[in-house]
Amino acid sequence: GESVGLHLPTLSVQEGDNSIINCAYSNSASDYFIWYKQESGKGPQFIIDIRSNMDKRQGQRVTVLLNKTVKHLSLQIAATQPGDSAVYFCAEASSGSARQLTFGSGTQLTVLP
Amino acid sequence: EPEVTQTPSHQVTQMGQEVILRCVPISNHLYFYWYRQILGQKVEFLVSFYNNEISEKSEIFDDQFSVERPDGSNFTLKIRSTKLEDSAMYFCASKKTGGSAYEQYFGPGTRLTVT
Repeated sequence: GESVGLHLPTLSVQEGDNSIINCAYSNSASDYFIWYKQESGKGPQFIIDIRSNMDKRQGQRVTVLLNKTVKHLSLQIAATQPGDSAVYFCAEASSGSARQLTFGSGTQLTVLP
Repeated sequence: EPEVTQTPSHQVTQMGQEVILRCVPISNHLYFYWYRQILGQKVEFLVSFYNNEISEKSEIFDDQFSVERPDGSNFTLKIRSTKLEDSAMYFCASKKTGGSAYEQYFGPGTRLTVT
C-alpha cells in the first residue's frame, strides 16, 4: 500500500552544523507534505509544509525540499541548536484533508555539544 | 504564547469502562482534531470537528468513539467501552481559520492505559 517512510531512524549532529533529515513517500497523489517536530513528552509541533507545486520552501532556519521525480522530501535545519533535539517526522496529505494525513515514523535528531 | 492543554496527562482504566479525555483548544481556533499514537507506532488521525459537527473521521473512529464541544472552551473525546487496543497517547489539536490546513497546534497528550 501507500506509505510514508524515513531513511534514517537516528541522526547526530554537532551544535552549529546544518542538519538534513530525509523522507521518502510513495503516494503520488499527495499534494501536501508537512514536517513536524516532537520533543520528549510533548505533542507534535508543526514546522513547515510544502505543496506539490513547489520544490523549495524556506522558514525560520529551516528549508524543505521536495523532489517529486524521486518522491523525496527533506528538511534542512541551519545552525542546529540543542533545542532542535527531537523526533522529526514527515507527513503527506491531499486536498487539505486531515483524514488523508499520513504520518511517517520519525527520525531522532540529537544535537551534540 | 497560547497553547492547547489536555487533561488528564495519564488515565488508567479497566477494559469496558468509559473514559472522557479533555482538551482546551487555543481560544480563537475553530478547527479541532483528535489523533492517537500507539506506543512505538505512527501518529494516526481520528476525527476533525468544525462548526459543532464532525468534518472527517477515520476508520478507527467507530461507534465507540464520540466527540463533543460542551461549552465554549472544552473539546472532549469519549470512548464508551474501552478495549485493550485503545491504549495509546491521545493528542488533541486545534487550528485557526486560514493558513495551512496542517498548521495545527497539538496538546501534550493524554496517555490512556487500558488494563
